[in-house]
Amino acid sequence: ELKVEQNPLFLSMQEGKNYTIYCNYSTTSDRLYWYRQDPGKSLESLFVLLSNGAVKQEGRLMASLDTKARLSTLHITAAVHDLSATYFCAVDLYNNNDMRFGAGTRLTVKP
Amino acid sequence: DSGVTQTPKHLITATGQRVTLRCSPRSGDLSVYWYQQSLDQGLQFLIQYYNGEERAKGNILERFSAQQFPDLHSELNLSSLELGDSALYFCASSVGAGVETQYFGPGTRLLVL
Repeated sequence: ELKVEQNPLFLSMQEGKNYTIYCNYSTTSDRLYWYRQDPGKSLESLFVLLSNGAVKQEGRLMASLDTKARLSTLHITAAVHDLSATYFCAVDLYNNNDMRFGAGTRLTVKP
Repeated sequence: DSGVTQTPKHLITATGQRVTLRCSPRSGDLSVYWYQQSLDQGLQFLIQYYNGEERAKGNILERFSAQQFPDLHSELNLSSLELGDSALYFCASSVGAGVETQYFGPGTRLLVL
């Protein structure tokens, strides 16, 4: 059975600092998604990673995928308060559009 | 505003009942996805329709069914409701059938009493 593990589950960081969220998964997939969810709100697609070595960046966020290690990372650079949210990764099980989500990482950025 | 609309926003019903959730995708999007978010189960992908046809299936219960109509709106039918079905139900849409950016609706909050 596919397991998608995110860590940490809770992250409190100061503005200006860097940090990385990890997403490990247990089966074959070349497709991984990152989403953001603000409290009480819907989801927002951040990144779609489609192959080994894929790297995408948007503002202070950068996501990468290592399919051999079954690992994706979401790196936060010089965090700002507006990045406070819950971040989810999702793996496309067997590249079949059947997405399985991690538990989410709740990020709080403090002044 | 993502351009994806969902109705109703809130729904309160009793165990054993049946409800229908509705989703209208962004203009031009052919795929609709349904997701469930609850405290117990987290986020789960339920089902995807592309241009009227079922494209992918996730952890959808047999009591649940969905369809996509010729005008591309979609409905998620939940029957024989149980307390554990209380959750947020999101739909999302995308242009194509494959892996790409999805645009999410605001969700329907279902409470089963």
